[in-house]
Amino acid sequence: GAGVSQSPSNKVTEKGKDVELRCDPISGHTALYWYRQSLGQGLEFLIYFQGNSAPDKSGLPSDRFSAERTGGSVSTLTIQRTQQEDSAVYLCASSLTREGAEAFFGQGTRLTVV
Amino acid sequence: AQSVTQLDSQVPVFEEAPVELRCNYSSSVSVYLFWYVQYPNQGLQLLLKYLSGSTLVKGINGFEAEFNKSQTSFHLRKPSVHISDTAEYFCAVKDSSYTLIFGSGTRLLVRP
Repeated sequence: GAGVSQSPSNKVTEKGKDVELRCDPISGHTALYWYRQSLGQGLEFLIYFQGNSAPDKSGLPSDRFSAERTGGSVSTLTIQRTQQEDSAVYLCASSLTREGAEAFFGQGTRLTVV
Repeated sequence: AQSVTQLDSQVPVFEEAPVELRCNYSSSVSVYLFWYVQYPNQGLQLLLKYLSGSTLVKGINGFEAEFNKSQTSFHLRKPSVHISDTAEYFCAVKDSSYTLIFGSGTRLLVRP
């Protein structure tokens, strides 16, 4: 596709349920990033992929959070046993290279845990 | 670990006035520097970036930023703002770890 695509755009889930958020990066982009943006807050770094490897997963807030990337393309962020504090917009970005190339952002997935 | 500081959470300014949004980062080693803008209810888009070379970088919509290595700063400026510049502005840094780290953002509020 022309841009970074994230699905679903909105997700409402009950506390304790697991959720999967999907990111389709721009074709050919080797670097992929996940961020969390809470209401009125900045971008909290979660994890960075280079190809299928995650050199930096230091931002994952707890072991309930995990992510994978397959085929150097699609990435899935999984949150297990969701809590209300997980409610936020989850943003995905990709860039052509890991160096100075611009990161392009998707529109995000708005997660609401009730 | 790399960190980015945007000291001003909100900057109110009158239309046609100049503005400077401040950004400081923690690492003194080689870095790539970016400014992104997020308009209300829209996604993030790149305003400008510094990779190497001239320390003064020009971006879209009349914005520019200056890289200052000794002060580890990358402040964003515009000589005359418009109402349409009202948005959230994020500074971001990438060092040798290639992790892209963002500041907490500055809300620019342009008043008529």
